[in-house]
Amino acid sequence: KAGVTQTPRYLIKTRGQQVTLSCSPISGHRSVSWYQQTPGQGLQFLFEYFSETQRNKGNFPGRFSGRQFSNSRSEMNVSTLELGDSALYLCASSRSPGTGGTEAFFGQGTRLTVV
Amino acid sequence: SQQGEEDPQALSIQEGENATMNCSYKTSINNLQWYRQNSGRGLVHLILIRSNEREKHSGRLRVTLDTSKKSSSLLITASRAADTASYFCATGLVTGGGNKLTFGTGTQLKVEL
Repeated sequence: KAGVTQTPRYLIKTRGQQVTLSCSPISGHRSVSWYQQTPGQGLQFLFEYFSETQRNKGNFPGRFSGRQFSNSRSEMNVSTLELGDSALYLCASSRSPGTGGTEAFFGQGTRLTVV
Repeated sequence: SQQGEEDPQALSIQEGENATMNCSYKTSINNLQWYRQNSGRGLVHLILIRSNEREKHSGRLRVTLDTSKKSSSLLITASRAADTASYFCATGLVTGGGNKLTFGTGTQLKVEL
């Protein structure tokens, strides 16, 4: 069973540009979450999608957006990139949350560098 | 903001010893999960414990959860050099129709030969 696939693995962008990251969840998983990891702030929750609907959102500016497609694949977009957006972006997939929650499985991440 | 604080921030032990990491959190949860991360790569899921459980085992891993103290611990027995990694706890809350995870600050474990 294939794991969570994130593309691209590495990306270098210039300030002011925009970027789109992609995540393909584990087959059968319908929930996709995105996280930003930086040395200073640690792992920060960006947003979560389930059945093409955003279910939860973290405390990030509107420049960060996402969406989920009918096949559960997800994309996140960052517009008007800033130097501080340089980070490892991690995607996680899980089954429906149920009543007690469920395990989340992570991809290898996309390392974004903004110059 | 981080939900959980982990203690210690760094831990160095000899191969064969046990390693214990602690996690404290602040609000109600539905579950708590532990993850391992090697050198800034993706996180590997280790174990999930639900809020109505007190202890769970998986191989060399033992996790406890005390909801009254809002704390959890991860014990790795008979550690190996391959266990060297960062370990994170994450509290899970079923909300908004989803399962939102909030991560702790992590413990860097180094297992020396």
